[in-house]
Amino acid sequence: QPVLTQASSASASLGSSVKLTCTLSSGHKSYIIAWHQQQSGKAPRYLMKVEGSGSYNKGSGVPDRFSGSGSGTDRYLIISNLQSEDEADYYCETWDSDNRVFGGGTKVTVL
Amino acid sequence: EVQLLESGGGLVQPGGSLRLSCAASGFTFSIYSMTWVRQAPEKGLQWVSSITDRGLNTYYADSVKGRFTIFRDNSKNTLYLQMNSLRAEDTAVYYCAKLEGASNIWGQGTLVAVSS
Repeated sequence: QPVLTQASSASASLGSSVKLTCTLSSGHKSYIIAWHQQQSGKAPRYLMKVEGSGSYNKGSGVPDRFSGSGSGTDRYLIISNLQSEDEADYYCETWDSDNRVFGGGTKVTVL
Repeated sequence: EVQLLESGGGLVQPGGSLRLSCAASGFTFSIYSMTWVRQAPEKGLQWVSSITDRGLNTYYADSVKGRFTIFRDNSKNTLYLQMNSLRAEDTAVYYCAKLEGASNIWGQGTLVAVSS
């Protein structure tokens, strides 16, 4: 089954950009992943799905400053014009025929 | 409004049982697979179990296999998780989620605490 690897933390200044990486285990480079945001004390919120081609599809109401891309086994979440409300944990997720897998999450701090 | 609303959480002793429910509204529940995900205190998200649209196929994480049962009632737009032989390490917030299709949805979660 696939394994997802994420950095534990990232930080960037208010109004700048941050790029989060989710790395698929070798042998799973064709997998689609989903990004979810979890603000402190709240339930997760779906952001988007990202394909290996780099195309992405966002959920309803997700701000334009959130985008995705991909290359090889890496899938990215890019947050532009970082806002205070973007401070949160971000999880990537993927799936195969009989299970789902989450990455360990990246905690984003807005400086 | 598209919504998932969990209920049934609470405090239970080790070895006890609990049934969680998840009421869906605002979308065609019966055509989507559904999933339970949990989050232990200060930990990340962990997949627990999934069920296909008509309930014919079910899947479980190794940590809950043989103890938890996922099922659904499409006539009531409701997903369930029957949890038996509960252990301290099952303590977590349990989320119901639709993680299939164009737009995913998460419930608000229900807390399960296993302690004597």
